[in-house]
Amino acid sequence: DSGVTQTPKHLITATGQRVTLRCSPRSGDLSVYWYQQSLDQGLQFLIQYYNGEERAKGNILERFSAQQFPDLHSELNLSSLELGDSALYFCASSALLSSGPHEQYFGPGTRLTVT
Amino acid sequence: AQSVTQPDIHITVSEGASLELRCNYSYGATPYLFWYVQSPGQGLQLLLKYFSGDTLVQGIKGFEAEFKRSQSSFNLRKPSVHWSDAAEYFCAVEGGTASKLTFGTGTRLQVTL
Repeated sequence: DSGVTQTPKHLITATGQRVTLRCSPRSGDLSVYWYQQSLDQGLQFLIQYYNGEERAKGNILERFSAQQFPDLHSELNLSSLELGDSALYFCASSALLSSGPHEQYFGPGTRLTVT
Repeated sequence: AQSVTQPDIHITVSEGASLELRCNYSYGATPYLFWYVQSPGQGLQLLLKYFSGDTLVQGIKGFEAEFKRSQSSFNLRKPSVHWSDAAEYFCAVEGGTASKLTFGTGTRLQVTL
């Protein structure tokens, strides 16, 4: 158990809908990352937050957005869903941001199926 | 931009045999390298990491990896594989202004009894 929690575990929804994925980081971690794992794209970085502020963006679609709240949990919002958004979405967290390397600890993921 | 190549998509080994999974990276500066394992239906578990210093690093579950700068490689090894090691293994590099991880495409390990 990494200490990172994600809800829900599974989500099935229809095209055009909007969903919210939730992540709670490990106790004490200020950085939260979101990744998407799909068969055609592999594991891709979406976005990073640090202590409530957006830190870095990766291959995140404009239909997707995220935020980190004062209690440090994070939510990933996916809107106008398409079939191609079906994937496993991971949240990871790491400790204080510094110039050095960071160990990222991953949650169990949310499997999104768009029908 | 950094990148990671895992040339083997699928590897099958017998239980008790040795294992080596290949990883090559591309990154302009000193890389921070990781190996993660993903069991079916599970999240990613950190096996080991290389930040600096000794180029042979030990991880959990009896795994080790060797950083070779001259070959831009960070291969994962285990002297004797157990059936429970069957999973998908991902090599990753951290770098750039963001501490994001760039992953390879993964190697699926099958263990025969």
